[in-house]
Amino acid sequence: AQKVTQAQTEISVVEKEDVTLDCVYETRDTTYYLFWYKQPPSGELVFLIRRNSFDEQNEISGRYSWNFQKSTSSFNFTITASQVVDSAVYFCALSEAGGTSYGKLTFGQGTILTVHP
Amino acid sequence: DSGVTQTPKHLITATGQRVTLRCSPRSGDLSVYWYQQSLDQGLQFLIQYYNGEERAKGNILERFSAQQFPDLHSELNLSSLELGDSALYFCASRTGRGGSTDTQYFGPGTRLTVL
Repeated sequence: AQKVTQAQTEISVVEKEDVTLDCVYETRDTTYYLFWYKQPPSGELVFLIRRNSFDEQNEISGRYSWNFQKSTSSFNFTITASQVVDSAVYFCALSEAGGTSYGKLTFGQGTILTVHP
Repeated sequence: DSGVTQTPKHLITATGQRVTLRCSPRSGDLSVYWYQQSLDQGLQFLIQYYNGEERAKGNILERFSAQQFPDLHSELNLSSLELGDSALYFCASRTGRGGSTDTQYFGPGTRLTVL
């Protein structure tokens, strides 16, 4: 069975601080996909990134960066120079690459990030 | 805007009632997923359809059912509603054709309140 664990339930930072959100996953699949989604106070789920299990290259997009380490089954998300608009709930998710539940997302419990001005 | 639409945005009803939530996927997406987000269970997968056929079931109650129509929109039917069914229900769609960019995009959700 797949499982995603986000150990940090809540994180509070002051604007301009860097913050890292941890994500650890479990799967028996050799091929899988990892995702981060953002849920701002308005409630919608916004896709941020997808990473394939065979691609361990880290990625940077503006102030966002992701560190994927297959050896430790982790897919951590860092926000550099955080801003108040980054305040949201962030979800890490995992999906299988095949089988009958192809594409189904297993979500972590989410991390509530609050950025104070 | 993800391109996935859901109606209604809010729904308030009473226990024992039946409601229908509607989802229109992004243009060209064949696969539709339904998820439930509640405080105690978090975000949970309910059911998946691909081009009109049911493909996978998650933790979906027997009181709940869904279908995907020929025009690819989907409906989630919730019956004999209980207080515990109050939640945010999301629909997501994906092209379903595979590939590195075949990602689920979510609609804005329907917030169901059962009184």
